[in-house]
Amino acid sequence: QKEVEQNSGPLSVPEGAIASLNCTYSDRGSQSFFWYRQYSGKSPELIMSIYSNGDKEDGRFTAQLNKASQYVSLLIRDSQPSDSATYLCAVNSYSGAGSYQLTFGKGTKLSVIP
Amino acid sequence: KAGVTQTPRYLIKTRGQQVTLSCSPISGHRSVSWYQQTPGQGLQFLFEYFSETQRNKGNFPGRFSGRQFSNSRSEMNVSTLELGDSALYLCASSPRSDSMGYTFGSGTRLTVV
Repeated sequence: QKEVEQNSGPLSVPEGAIASLNCTYSDRGSQSFFWYRQYSGKSPELIMSIYSNGDKEDGRFTAQLNKASQYVSLLIRDSQPSDSATYLCAVNSYSGAGSYQLTFGKGTKLSVIP
Repeated sequence: KAGVTQTPRYLIKTRGQQVTLSCSPISGHRSVSWYQQTPGQGLQFLFEYFSETQRNKGNFPGRFSGRQFSNSRSEMNVSTLELGDSALYLCASSPRSDSMGYTFGSGTRLTVV
């Protein structure tokens, strides 16, 4: 059973601070890692993807991957109230027959306080 | 470019009925996956289709089924509905399933009464 674990939160940070979201996964063979943002009542939206160890930056977002520790994180710099949402970590793993399966964590709810 | 389109947006059904949900992927996307989202369980994988073939299935009972057509559009069917089937059903598409992130549709909110 492939598992993805996240702190459910809620994580509260003041506006302008750095929000740090963490995720661990069980399948050591996983190759692709994603962060999705989901606003209440909406569908998940892909915000970051990362495939190799290290950091990947996109605007105020930085994804970090450590395959040896089976750990993925997302940093949000200069947090804004509009960043308040649930953040879902997703890990893509090979399932056989040419198919890959995206397994999601249960999400961390982030609240950015003005 | 049009996104992933799911219809209908909302459904209310009675226990024991059956329901069919539809998903039109982004043009050119051949991989379509379905997920069930509930507050307690989060996003759970139902199945994945690629070129009209079901390549992968999650741990759901046989009441849940699906198919994909030659134009990549997909449908999922739930028969003999139970109260616990009330959930947001999300369809996601990708050019292929190996390493690229999925784009989700807006979902179908199913309520079973």
